[in-house]
Amino acid sequence: DQQVKQNSPSLSVQEGRISILNCDYTNSMFDYFLWYKKYPAEGPTFLISISSIKDKNEDGRFTVFLNKSAKHLSLHIVPSQPGDSAVYFCAAKISGTYKYIFGTGTRLKVLA
Amino acid sequence: EAQVTQNPRYLITVTGKKLTVTCSQNMNHEYMSWYRQDPGLGLRQIYYSMNVEVTDKGDVPEGYKVSRKEKRNFPLILESPSPNQTSLYFCASSQTAANEKLFFGSGTQLSVL
Repeated sequence: DQQVKQNSPSLSVQEGRISILNCDYTNSMFDYFLWYKKYPAEGPTFLISISSIKDKNEDGRFTVFLNKSAKHLSLHIVPSQPGDSAVYFCAAKISGTYKYIFGTGTRLKVLA
Repeated sequence: EAQVTQNPRYLITVTGKKLTVTCSQNMNHEYMSWYRQDPGLGLRQIYYSMNVEVTDKGDVPEGYKVSRKEKRNFPLILESPSPNQTSLYFCASSQTAANEKLFFGSGTQLSVL
């Protein structure tokens, strides 16, 4: 059973607008959530993370929001740029372990 | 340059022929792990290692072996590959097991015929 779900396989956004990528989880035993970006033929690269004790973390154009009651995580990119076009994976670390569960990814396309 | 290096990038093999995918990192990281990426399933963790000689199973360890004899290297061994192990494999490392920021290699595309 997939514990971390990214229900939107793809998303297209106009350059300069906001991109919102969503992630839902079913397990309350996660203590850290992360977002990774992946370009074709490359490995994923770390983007931003948030501890389960926080509800928001910001780094430049990227903000991650955590809604624990809804078990929902989102990544906001403002403003979106064509170079942001990539596949985005959300991931969660199981508390007390060093195991990570990844979502299936959302392909973001930013249109110039 | 800080990096995680996997070899080979592409590998085609036949069922039952033992193979090893190498992974090396030059950042003196303690934690290393292996993932496989399959369509519709995201990345799934195979094995991880918290330090030299310390390894543990991830979510999908069946059919794989690992070893961590040196800090920089974490090879993935398929003793008897089968077609269901055809996948894109990624190695990753982080400074410590408690540090959540993983650095990934570029991937190894394996096809088992």
